[in-house]
Amino acid sequence: DAGVIQSPRHEVTEMGQEVTLRCKPISGHNSLFWYRQTMMRGLELLIYFNNNVPIDDSGMPEDRFSAKMPNASFSTLKIQPSEPRDSAVYFCASSRSGSGTVQYFGPGTRLTVT
Amino acid sequence: KNEVEQSPQNLTAQEGEFITINCSYSVGISALHWLQQHPGGGIVSLFMLSSGKKKHGRLIATINIQEKHSSLHITASHPRDSAVYICAVRGDRGSTLGRLYFGRGTQLTVWP
Repeated sequence: DAGVIQSPRHEVTEMGQEVTLRCKPISGHNSLFWYRQTMMRGLELLIYFNNNVPIDDSGMPEDRFSAKMPNASFSTLKIQPSEPRDSAVYFCASSRSGSGTVQYFGPGTRLTVT
Repeated sequence: KNEVEQSPQNLTAQEGEFITINCSYSVGISALHWLQQHPGGGIVSLFMLSSGKKKHGRLIATINIQEKHSSLHITASHPRDSAVYICAVRGDRGSTLGRLYFGRGTQLTVWP
């Protein structure tokens, strides 16, 4: 299996632009997680899906952030409009079932908003 | 106050030394994860446990539910163990049910 796939690996954009991050979970995994990691705050869970349904989005910082999972093999995290404080590494992870099972992390997307 | 506290924040060791990283948490949990983040940024799940002890190679993870504490031990440490180790817990009730809480990580450096 190819593991969790994220794209792009690096993104540099200007403040105010829309940013879309993509994730393909491991085939057969029912849960997908979006994380953000910064030096200041460490690793934070933004949102997670079970069977394509958002279960906990309490970590989504504000309305500028939105996440979708239209099918079992694809998810997006969108930031519109982006701000410099959104600069971080965004990780996607998947697991067989829920937040109590082992998660497999993607390589991350390093986002820089100037 | 963070729901998950790790200690130490930074740890330096000589190759071959026995390493212990500690994690304390303040919420009721159904599972605890130990993650390893390599210098390149990749994250690997090392253990998920809800009771007792698990062992994988030179790594051992223990958890004491009553004391709300977990430890990660590395025996015969090696420079390739140098990484950030992150503790995360899954809440088990009320407003914390299913939520994940993360420690800030422990930076381990093992010198040859």
